[in-house]
Formats: sequence, structure tokens, C-alpha cells
Amino acid sequence: DAKTTQPPSMDCAEGRAANLPCNHSTISGNEYVYWYRQIHSQGPQYIIHGLKNNETNEMASLIITEDRKSSTLILPHATLRDTAVYYCISGGGADGLTFGKGTHLIIQP
Amino acid sequence: NAGVMQNPRHLVRRRGQEARLRCSPMKGHSHVYWYRQLPEEGLKFMVYLQKENIIDESGMPKERFSAEFPKEGPSILRIQQVVRGDSAAYFCASSRDRVDGNTIYFGEGSWLTVV
Repeated sequence: DAKTTQPPSMDCAEGRAANLPCNHSTISGNEYVYWYRQIHSQGPQYIIHGLKNNETNEMASLIITEDRKSSTLILPHATLRDTAVYYCISGGGADGLTFGKGTHLIIQP
Repeated sequence: NAGVMQNPRHLVRRRGQEARLRCSPMKGHSHVYWYRQLPEEGLKFMVYLQKENIIDESGMPKERFSAEFPKEGPSILRIQQVVRGDSAAYFCASSRDRVDGNTIYFGEGSWLTVV
């Protein structure tokens, strides 16, 4: 079973920031938080990952709480092409990454 | 730098035939993962391989499924005597090292349809 909890769906207006929450209360000290997204009929696309510190790249920002039990993925200026299922994953080790059901983010025009 | 390459992208097999799915990892990556996604469901881990070794196959069905990652050439996921329930998208991913802190990149998938 996935070790993260995400809302099943979210809406966001085009041009606004999309904030996707994730709960990973059982995360262990050496496990990273990864975010991927999957657009229909495509392979999962890596977005960002982090361990303790907040991270930012050209796609998104990742805010991890100090206790590491939750995080938020921020898409600063959502576009229609950001409509996808977003997966938050905590993991590490030889079992690869365990995907849950994710959040279906719908960007509204 | 080419990404993870999977072929074929689409494959149709009759029940009882064999399906072979190939995956070439990203350059410099020696760790390969296979995932399966059934229609309208999430991705399920199947197997994790490093060159010539199966590290974790806890997600592989016990029968008819096998995977290899030879010293030379792509990783192969082999499904023998396919049944309709095997119809799914099969995704391969690769990483440079163990997943801890390293990024896993996915291919575009191979869609298997069993008729």
C-alpha cells in the first residue's frame, strides 16, 4: 500500500498557483519525497524530490514541513497542460517507488 | 541525452501467445524498474533489476512473467501464454543508482492488448 495520502481531485484556475498537499506521516528519516505526474496515456513525468529542505526547479516548488510528515507541491502559474494525475511518493531502497492513487488536478480555463 | 526507450509502444497478442517488451535505460543508468498499469488504475511495481541481477521481484506474478537485464542490450519483460487480464500499459523506468535520493525516469510505456 502507498505510504502517502492525497486528495483524489482538485481544481485550479489557469494562471493561478496550484498547491497540491500530501500527507506522509510514516516517512522514515532516510526516505525522500518524490512528485511525479501522469498525463493521460503517457509515462509518469518526474517533477521534483526532496529530503528535508524545500526545493525549487523550473517546474515546481516543494515545501516540506519541519517534521517531514507532510509536503506541498506548488505549480506557480498553472496552465491547461498541467492537467494530470499528480503522485506524491515517499520511498527509497530496493523496492522502487510505490504509487498511490494520486490527485487528479484539473486546470480550469 | 535520450530518455528511457521502450518498444514496442503498442502490441497486440492473441491469448496463449508470448509478449516481449523491451526497455533501454537512459545512458549511464544501470538500474531498471518495471511497472504495470491496468486500465483506470494506478501504477504497480513489478520488478527491479540491476545489470544481470534481479534485485526485487516482489511485484511479479508468480507464473508466466519473467524479466531480465543482460550485460549487453535492453531489459526484457516477458509474458508467456498471455491472457486478457494481462492487457495493460507496462512502464519501464531507470535510475543511475539506488532510488534513495536518485531520480527514476520513466519511459512512455508499452501498451499490450490481448485479444
